Amino acid sequence: KNEVEQSPQNLTAQEGEFITINCSYSVGISALHWLQQHPGGGIVSLFMLSSGKKKHGRLIATINIQEKHSSLHITASHPRDSAVYICAVSLLSSGSARQLTFGSGTQLTVLP
Amino acid sequence: DAGVIQSPRHEVTEMGQEVTLRCKPISGHNSLFWYRQTMMRGLELLIYFNNNVPIDDSGMPEDRFSAKMPNASFSTLKIQPSEPRDSAVYFCASSRTGGLGGNTIYFGEGSWLTVV
Repeated sequence: KNEVEQSPQNLTAQEGEFITINCSYSVGISALHWLQQHPGGGIVSLFMLSSGKKKHGRLIATINIQEKHSSLHITASHPRDSAVYICAVSLLSSGSARQLTFGSGTQLTVLP
Repeated sequence: DAGVIQSPRHEVTEMGQEVTLRCKPISGHNSLFWYRQTMMRGLELLIYFNNNVPIDDSGMPEDRFSAKMPNASFSTLKIQPSEPRDSAVYFCASSRTGGLGGNTIYFGEGSWLTVV
């Protein structure tokens, strides 16, 4: 079983729809990261959170430490949001708090 | 700030050749990471440096791979000899060290390696 699981693997939405991507993890973590990878390959860090909720523009990330679950929401989705969204966690293990374990990613396609 | 800078962006090389990938982390960041991304295995951590010292290289696949960080502003990942199965995107990333709360990690644009 992967330590970090994302769902769905693929998601197609119409422009304007509200989108939710989920991430569950099975180990203790110090932080959870949401990353965005565009077709050109570059990876951008969207959020790093260890509790509660963060918002940046149309993006909202939440985390529930007790349930070991995080969600990434996109409001009023746009075709330019099409990308792979990757959940990654910093594990709570000695000497590796700053390393990341990655989910397999969610391929999002937003149609005009 | 220019962000994490990697070179080359793309490299095609023949099996058996030496490949050197380069990375300049963001100034002031003292943690540097090399990752490899493939379709089959996704993103994998290869090696992690803190203050120029390799902390965990357990992800380095085999002796053909080596990484160095001679100073705070430069790191290399070398593959010698290269094999077709090394074809992947190699990402360098950096962050500030500090606390168990984690720090935002900044990725370079990746080096796309094809070994034929």
